[in-house]
Amino acid sequence: AQSVTQPDIHITVSEGASLELRCNYSYGATPYLFWYVQSPGQGLQLLLKYFSGDTLVQGIKGFEAEFKRSQSSFNLRKPSVHWSDAAEYFCAVGAHYGQNFVFGPGTRLSVLP
Amino acid sequence: DTAVSQTPKYLVTQMGNDKSIKCEQNLGHDTMYWYKQDSKKFLKIMFSYNNKELIINETVPNRFSPKSPDKAHLNLHINSLELGDSAVYFCASRTELNTEAFFGQGTRLTVV
Repeated sequence: AQSVTQPDIHITVSEGASLELRCNYSYGATPYLFWYVQSPGQGLQLLLKYFSGDTLVQGIKGFEAEFKRSQSSFNLRKPSVHWSDAAEYFCAVGAHYGQNFVFGPGTRLSVLP
Repeated sequence: DTAVSQTPKYLVTQMGNDKSIKCEQNLGHDTMYWYKQDSKKFLKIMFSYNNKELIINETVPNRFSPKSPDKAHLNLHINSLELGDSAVYFCASRTELNTEAFFGQGTRLTVV
């Protein structure tokens, strides 16, 4: 079965600073990996996804993530954070069609002006 | 057009009542899910249906019963509501051609 860990419960950065959110997964085969963002009181919006190919994937809102098989990681990055990026970020792993779609516990991002 | 829609958005009810949350997707997806998000924001899968057939049924009290009348709908019925059922419930859908899950806006259930 898949599992996902996000080691950081809460991260605070200053506006304009760079950001990296960590995600580690456990899955026996090649995973499909995702990052979602949830703004307060909102649903989940997909930021980016990795299925295969280039291990560096670009997403919306200036985010990118890098898949590292050797480290079982899929860390999310942004070079310059904006105040509107303050939200809850979830890493998720999906396997084959119809099977479990598992989320990590989430990382709450706060942005200082 | 809303891709995955849930109703109601807010639901406040007393302990012991029975309530339902409805979910509809217009994406033509074959798989639908229900997730529960607790106060710590943890998203836990409850059920998954594929073509109206139950695929995943996690450890959930049998007071929770999903119903899928057709591929586009997955409703969640909850009997004898308890205080601990208070949470945000998300519906999602997915297909083999497009493997990310699309989420509804959530239903905030408050049991008093």
